[in-house]
Amino acid sequence: GQQLNQSPQSMFIQEGEDVSMNCTSSSIFNTWLWYKQEPGEGPVLLIALYKAGELTSNGRLTAQFGITRKDSFLNISASIPSDVGIYFCAGRDKLTFGTGTRLQVTL
Amino acid sequence: GAGVSQTPSNKVTEKGKYVELRCDPISGHTALYWYRQSLGQGPEFLIYFQGTGAADDSGLPNDRFFAVRPEGSVSTLKIQRTERGDSAVYLCASSPEGRANSAFFGQGTRLTVV
Repeated sequence: GQQLNQSPQSMFIQEGEDVSMNCTSSSIFNTWLWYKQEPGEGPVLLIALYKAGELTSNGRLTAQFGITRKDSFLNISASIPSDVGIYFCAGRDKLTFGTGTRLQVTL
Repeated sequence: GAGVSQTPSNKVTEKGKYVELRCDPISGHTALYWYRQSLGQGPEFLIYFQGTGAADDSGLPNDRFFAVRPEGSVSTLKIQRTERGDSAVYLCASSPEGRANSAFFGQGTRLTVV
């Protein structure tokens, strides 16, 4: 079946640092979505990517849809404590989720 | 409502019992998804509805699991003869027409089978 691998699995960073995480797939996807999940909550959509090569920003977040359609990355600039959570990539059309990257931000 | 609503937020049931979990999608969203999330894992796809019909139920783990969406809006996930391994958070998401669109999640139902 389809598998999405995210790296790193977890990150400890200091407030103000930039963060980069990526997601790779064994299959091609037509849409990539990035979600953030906090404890006890459902995933919250951060960024949606619809075209290969597309680079999209949402505030301090930037995401790119890889040219091969098998990968995507998410960058967070100038991290703040509320960025803490688990970040998931997901590929459409079935919306298959990645393994997640747990982000912890220290002051 | 403004977002996807799931009820109950928590459900504790005894092994062997039947449970129903409800999802109210965002108004006007034709696509509805059910996922299951175990601790420390990403959401795992169960079933996808387009309108009233199940377009893809390949993620349902076995025939104890069933979902319906009779009027193309509210959906109910039904689990028969629950087992302890069914304990997880069950998430529902909805999106506008077309599988390429962004999907929005509810807060989930935490099911505990004792």
